[in-house]
Amino acid sequence: SQQGEEDPQALSIQEGENATMNCSYKTSINNLQWYRQNSGRGLVHLILIRSNEREKHSGRLRVTLDTSKKSSSLLITASRAADTASYFCAPSNQAGTALIFGKGTTLSVSS
Amino acid sequence: KAGVTQTPRYLIKTRGQQVTLSCSPISGHRSVSWYQQTPGQGLQFLFEYFSETQRNKGNFPGRFSGRQFSNSRSEMNVSTLELGDSALYLCASSLARGAGETQYFGPGTRLLVL
Repeated sequence: SQQGEEDPQALSIQEGENATMNCSYKTSINNLQWYRQNSGRGLVHLILIRSNEREKHSGRLRVTLDTSKKSSSLLITASRAADTASYFCAPSNQAGTALIFGKGTTLSVSS
Repeated sequence: KAGVTQTPRYLIKTRGQQVTLSCSPISGHRSVSWYQQTPGQGLQFLFEYFSETQRNKGNFPGRFSGRQFSNSRSEMNVSTLELGDSALYLCASSLARGAGETQYFGPGTRLLVL
């Protein structure tokens, strides 16, 4: 199993702005997932990007993956107050291993 | 399809007691994982069950145990509760094993140990 490290730990922006958070990991991966957690709730899967993909979109979300730098980024465009949550990345390098989460990035979007 | 359900949602116990939490995965999902989330330690992996067998285990003492039934429902048990066990306990289910599988999380059980 391996763990991703999200950066920054906390991010505060205004509604309408874009939010970018980054994830770094240590060894080669098969895929990487991003999850969101609203305060005190369960995590919600946002997007999965495979190691042979460089960019993926889902609505206002854009995820990039740079395997040479062992990093991924999650961009949320035109942020809304409802995007206020913690965001976690989870890199995966092989089947049969557990999904390990880092500390996450706490995003606060104010109106 | 119904999502992952966890019962109870909230629980208050005292030190030394034991507690059992329950998780019902999404229908058809065979893998269930458990996580403990605290403000200090973040989201920590407890264990994963698949086909009634524990497949992975995190770095937790033996007071934490679990099991999975033939219908994929899972329970976790914590014996001799300590104050530090106060946390949000999350379970997640997936169709198959493997960290690359999308995990679907339940709402969690919030445990307070007094």
